[in-house]
Amino acid sequence: EDQVTQSPEALRLQEGESSSLNCSYTVSGLRGLFWYRQDPGKGPEFLFTLYSAGEEKEKERLKATLTKKESFLHITAPKPEDSATYLCAVLRDDYKLSFGAGTTVTVRA
Amino acid sequence: GAVVSQHPSWVICKSGTSVKIECRSLDFQATTMFWYRQFPKQSLMLMATSNEGSKATYEQGVEKDKFLINHASLTLSTLTVTSAHPEDSSFYICSARDAYRGNTIYFGEGSWLTVV
Repeated sequence: EDQVTQSPEALRLQEGESSSLNCSYTVSGLRGLFWYRQDPGKGPEFLFTLYSAGEEKEKERLKATLTKKESFLHITAPKPEDSATYLCAVLRDDYKLSFGAGTTVTVRA
Repeated sequence: GAVVSQHPSWVICKSGTSVKIECRSLDFQATTMFWYRQFPKQSLMLMATSNEGSKATYEQGVEKDKFLINHASLTLSTLTVTSAHPEDSSFYICSARDAYRGNTIYFGEGSWLTVV
C-alpha cells in the first residue's frame, strides 16, 4: 500500500530563515509526486509535479527535488506570505492521490 | 495556467433540503474529477471519483444515495448533497485531472456548506 509521510508536522521560521520540508514515500510505481500549498479555508494550490529521481523544479522562493524515496521542498529566504500548509501527494495507478498529512509553515516577520 | 472553478464558494441550506455544488475545469478537458471533504485541521478525505460519461465510484463509507455525483461533460462535474443534515456541514473540494499536462491534478477553491 502506498504511504506518504511528511515531516516536520509544523515549522516555525523567522523571515529570511531558509529551511526544507521532507516527504518520504513508498509506492509500487510512481506516476508523479505533487506539491501543493493550502491556505486556511481554501483548496490546495498546485505548486510542482515531479516524475523521476533527480528532477528539480523551482518557483520563486520554492524548489522541489525528488529522489527514489523522498522529495524535499526547499524554502529560500521565506516571507510571511509563505505561511501555509504544504501538502505532498503521490499519484497512484488509478490516478487517485495519496496525501501526506502536511507541514504547516509559519513565517514570522 | 489550468484552473478549476467551484461554485458556490459557500452555501447555507435548511436541514432536509438538497444542495448542488459545481466543479468546472476552465481551460482543459477533465475525463476524471474527484470530490473531497475536509474537516478543520484535517487532511482531505476522498469521497468519490467522477468519470465523464459513467457512474461515479465511491470510497468506502460514503453514501452514494446521499452524495450524488454527475459528470455530464468533460468540463463539469456536480455534487448534490441530498436531504442535507447538520452533520453534512463541511468544506467540499473538487479536483480535476489534466491528462495532457502529465496527469497533473488541479483543485478548486472549495465550497463551504452549512446546514441549519
